[in-house]
Amino acid sequence: GQQLNQSPQSMFIQEGEDVSMNCTSSSIFNTWLWYKQDPGEGPVLLIALYKAGELTSNGRLTAQFGITRKDSFLNISASIPSDVGIYFCAGQLSVDYKLSFGAGTTVTVRA
Amino acid sequence: ETGVTQTPRHLVMGMTNKKSLKCEQHLGHNAMYWYKQSAKKPLELMFVYNFKEQTENNSVPSRFSPECPNSSHLFLHLHTLQPEDSALYLCASSQESTGMNTEAFFGQGTRLTVV
Repeated sequence: GQQLNQSPQSMFIQEGEDVSMNCTSSSIFNTWLWYKQDPGEGPVLLIALYKAGELTSNGRLTAQFGITRKDSFLNISASIPSDVGIYFCAGQLSVDYKLSFGAGTTVTVRA
Repeated sequence: ETGVTQTPRHLVMGMTNKKSLKCEQHLGHNAMYWYKQSAKKPLELMFVYNFKEQTENNSVPSRFSPECPNSSHLFLHLHTLQPEDSALYLCASSQESTGMNTEAFFGQGTRLTVV
């Protein structure tokens, strides 16, 4: 699939902090998806975005579909310990509707 | 209700063994997928089935053999695997594999260790 550049690769959070991560690509996407994966589990769909510029929230999570259709970001507000895990972006390409996944952002609680 | 169920959750097998992974979805979806997840790598798509027909094989070695008897069930038959095949194998389903409804819903995965 197409290369999705997800950053940062990892981050440490302090409880109560807002955190942000993003995905970029040189390709144009029809859909952006954000997943969270807990240790030993499969990825769980958090937010799906369908239109350029769309801003969607799910509780403390907010994600946006970039205007250029080549990027997306995910914000977590007022983080809590259970927010730790790996967050993946996925984009559905406009040319063939195939899903490509980013390499993930690992979120860990700062001791 | 668990939408996508995978069994077993953990599997240890020798290089000469034959085993199978099973996936079942209760979401009424028409497309099912096998992904391989290795540490620090993006999810690798292995196979796609749409309405029971295989529509994609991403250059997967023949020691992995998928089977999709109906839209709700997907198997991955394993034989003569190598240690580098050790990974988390994830099954997913979606409404369809092309078009607008391709949001994938994942099972919990099978952690495979080849010894």
